[in-house]
Amino acid sequence: AQTVTQSQPEMSVQEAETVTLSCTYDTSESDYYLFWYKQPPSRQMILVIRQEAYKQQNATENRFSVNFQKAAKSFSLKISDSQLGDAAMYFCAYRSAYGSEKLVFGKGTKLTVNP
Amino acid sequence: DGGITQSPKYLFRKEGQNVTLSCEQNLNHDAMYWYRQDPGQGLRLIYYSQIVNDFQKGDIAEGYSVSREKKESFPLTVTSAQKNPTAFYLCASSTLPASGANVLTFGAGSRLTVL
Repeated sequence: AQTVTQSQPEMSVQEAETVTLSCTYDTSESDYYLFWYKQPPSRQMILVIRQEAYKQQNATENRFSVNFQKAAKSFSLKISDSQLGDAAMYFCAYRSAYGSEKLVFGKGTKLTVNP
Repeated sequence: DGGITQSPKYLFRKEGQNVTLSCEQNLNHDAMYWYRQDPGQGLRLIYYSQIVNDFQKGDIAEGYSVSREKKESFPLTVTSAQKNPTAFYLCASSTLPASGANVLTFGAGSRLTVL
């Protein structure tokens, strides 16, 4: 079974600075998808970014980018120019490309942004 | 606006009582999901459904039941058989296929507390 590990329960960053959240996963599959979801204090989960394993190029969405290292099974999220609104729980998630409906989530990292 | 509506937002239940959480979506999504979130944990899948009148158990289905009589609705019943029902419950939906790169849209969640 696949597992997702987020080794940083909490992180903090100064406003306008850059922060990187770590995620590693364990799988024997060669094709899969990886996601970062954000859960702000409102508790509604929002997709931040997604990566397809067969694509070498790291995904980018505005200030959010990933460092996808397939061989190392690592999928870190970099937030540039951090804003107060970035404060949230961030969850890394894995989904198989082989007909699986299930998203496997990590336990999350709580990000605090200091003004 | 299209989205997912979960109700109630907060719910209190006495031990031994069944309670039903509502989830309604107007996104015309075929697939719907229920996740449970506990403090310090990721999201765990309870049940999911890809078509009306059909649903499958997730990782932690014991003590829960669902129905899918309408495409728009996927209510979750937390039964008295659920040993530790106090948690935050998230409903989500997606287009088909309910796998791969398809992104889940989440509701704002329901907080259930057993007294």
